[in-house]
Amino acid sequence: GAGVSQSPSNKVTEKGKDVELRCDPISGHTALYWYRQRLGQGLEFLIYFQGNSAPDKSGLPSDRFSAERTGESVSTLTIQRTQQEDSAVYLCASSFVAGGADTQYFGPGTRLTVL
Amino acid sequence: AQSVTQLDSQVPVFEEAPVELRCNYSSSVSVYLFWYVQYPNQGLQLLLKYLSGSTLVKGINGFEAEFNKSQTSFHLRKPSVHISDTAEYFCAVSGDTNAGKSTFGDGTTLTVKP
Repeated sequence: GAGVSQSPSNKVTEKGKDVELRCDPISGHTALYWYRQRLGQGLEFLIYFQGNSAPDKSGLPSDRFSAERTGESVSTLTIQRTQQEDSAVYLCASSFVAGGADTQYFGPGTRLTVL
Repeated sequence: AQSVTQLDSQVPVFEEAPVELRCNYSSSVSVYLFWYVQYPNQGLQLLLKYLSGSTLVKGINGFEAEFNKSQTSFHLRKPSVHISDTAEYFCAVSGDTNAGKSTFGDGTTLTVKP
């Protein structure tokens, strides 16, 4: 079946602009995760959804970051007033449920460059 | 709070040599441990995971890892590597509190040379 897809694959924007990143999880997966991966670094947890509820938003770096999810489907990560330090690869993953034991399936990522 | 430390940022080895990628973790609760691999220009995929039971876990492509609770380690090993094993390897931990949150290490770049 289809894997996790993300769009766009690359996004170049100017400082101060807003961007929206999209994630389509694997069909049937109720949990969805967003991570940020800066160059040469590990994955930084941002937020996860169980269904369309986000029990843990503690990883969002600032109030410029927000995310929403429609049902158990598409999720959008929005970054307002982008800054150069927001440049990174944003990864989305999904799993059957948001249990710690569940394998996460990752998308290819969106590479965001803020000029 | 949980954390993961991957002790080596880069590991260069020759083809057919054995390799060990080291991972230490900390957590106040029972943990689940994972190794993910990211091949060049590809997304992350699961290599193996420890949930419970036998402390020796076997994964894909001939990799295995051993959970050591007393040393809080989950080192990844392969007895003989191939050029195709060249990739970034990430260790991750999650716990049964705050079940949705996984913590990843900074990654280890394994480079296999001919």
